[in-house]
Amino acid sequence: KQEVTQIPAALSVPEGENLVLNCSFTDSAIYNLQWFRQDPGKGLTSLLLIQSSQREQTSGRLNASLDKSSGRSTLYIAASQPGDSATYLCAVRSNDYKLSFGAGTTVTVRA
Amino acid sequence: DGGITQSPKYLFRKEGQNVTLSCEQNLNHDAMYWYRQDPGQGLRLIYYSQIVNDFQKGDIAEGYSVSREKKESFPLTVTSAQKNPTAFYLCASSADGRETQYFGPGTRLLVL
Repeated sequence: KQEVTQIPAALSVPEGENLVLNCSFTDSAIYNLQWFRQDPGKGLTSLLLIQSSQREQTSGRLNASLDKSSGRSTLYIAASQPGDSATYLCAVRSNDYKLSFGAGTTVTVRA
Repeated sequence: DGGITQSPKYLFRKEGQNVTLSCEQNLNHDAMYWYRQDPGQGLRLIYYSQIVNDFQKGDIAEGYSVSREKKESFPLTVTSAQKNPTAFYLCASSADGRETQYFGPGTRLLVL
């Protein structure tokens, strides 16, 4: 069974600092990996999707890397802003297409 | 506007009562999903449907039931057999089982 872990559970940084969010998974036989953002009491918004054959994906200030062999993905958010405050969830899709979620990292960006 | 809608936003259940959560999508997606989210835990899959009139149990299906009579609708019933129903319920859809899932705004279920 795929286990997905996100550490730390919470993170607080001053505005302008770069954010580094970690995701680890136990089974390296994955189809793809996806990062989501969740605002309090809301649904999930997809940020980036990395296919198993890719090493990274970029969108604006966001960059996600994938190292399948070590079972790790990292989401980088450059020059953080208060609007980046949210919970960030990592989800791994296995080759049977089932999606396994981490518990998330809650980010607070202080103005 | 294309998207996924869930209703109601808040739902209160009395002891022994069945309640139904609505999920509708106009994205023309074949696959639909129900997840449960509890504080400090990742989303857990309750049921999913890859096509109309077919659905499969996820990891925590006990105490829940679903139907998929129309492509755009996938209602979830929380039965009285679910002893700990208080949670945030999220519905999602995708073009097929491999593609990005798009999520609705969620329904928070509380027990009176």
